[in-house]
Amino acid sequence: SAVISQKPSRDICQRGTSLTIQCQVDSQVTMMFWYRQQPGQSLTLIATANQGSEATYESGFVIDKFPISRPNLTFSTLTVSNMSPEDSSIYLCSVEDLGYYGYTFGSGTRLTVV
Amino acid sequence: GENVEQHPSTLSVQEGDSAVIKCTYSDSASNYFPWYKQELGKGPQLIIDIRSNVGEKKDQRIAVTLNKTAKHFSLHITETQPEDSAVYFCAASQSNTGKLIFGQGTTLQVKP
Repeated sequence: SAVISQKPSRDICQRGTSLTIQCQVDSQVTMMFWYRQQPGQSLTLIATANQGSEATYESGFVIDKFPISRPNLTFSTLTVSNMSPEDSSIYLCSVEDLGYYGYTFGSGTRLTVV
Repeated sequence: GENVEQHPSTLSVQEGDSAVIKCTYSDSASNYFPWYKQELGKGPQLIIDIRSNVGEKKDQRIAVTLNKTAKHFSLHITETQPEDSAVYFCAASQSNTGKLIFGQGTTLQVKP
């Protein structure tokens, strides 16, 4: 299956600042996804990022708060902007893995906003 | 849109017993149903999945069953071991969208 590297693995940030999370895949993939997992909760899709087009955001998530870049078929970034304590979550990158026709997740970025 | 309900939220079994986790979904257009295991501090790991053209799939001690008419699917773990202890998530999607809608998760504890 595809191998996903996410950076940073964790961070503690001040409110009002922004953090950019990187997702690197070891193979070319068409579809990349960003999920949020609030403490003790399930996973919620933030947006779908396809190379060469604008990201598609799910209800409740907006581009100004979570801008996404997808410059090529192996890389994407998610920025959490103007952070508040409510943004404290695990942010996960996922890809459609055509090798086994499933979806692989990275290990996540554990964000704490103070 | 799709909604996935998962039960139970917590499950405690003795080592060697079986564990069953159940999920229901609402969108009849969903056709892909994966199960993920998440250990503390790690990302979700796919353990088994099933597509709507199959009723059951098995991989060693793990099996998944799907009832399309009733819109529910279940994870069965036999001969549980302490290392099976983790949070398990079911999900549903339409495979052409890639959007996974997750259940609420089940914390499985296997007691030695």
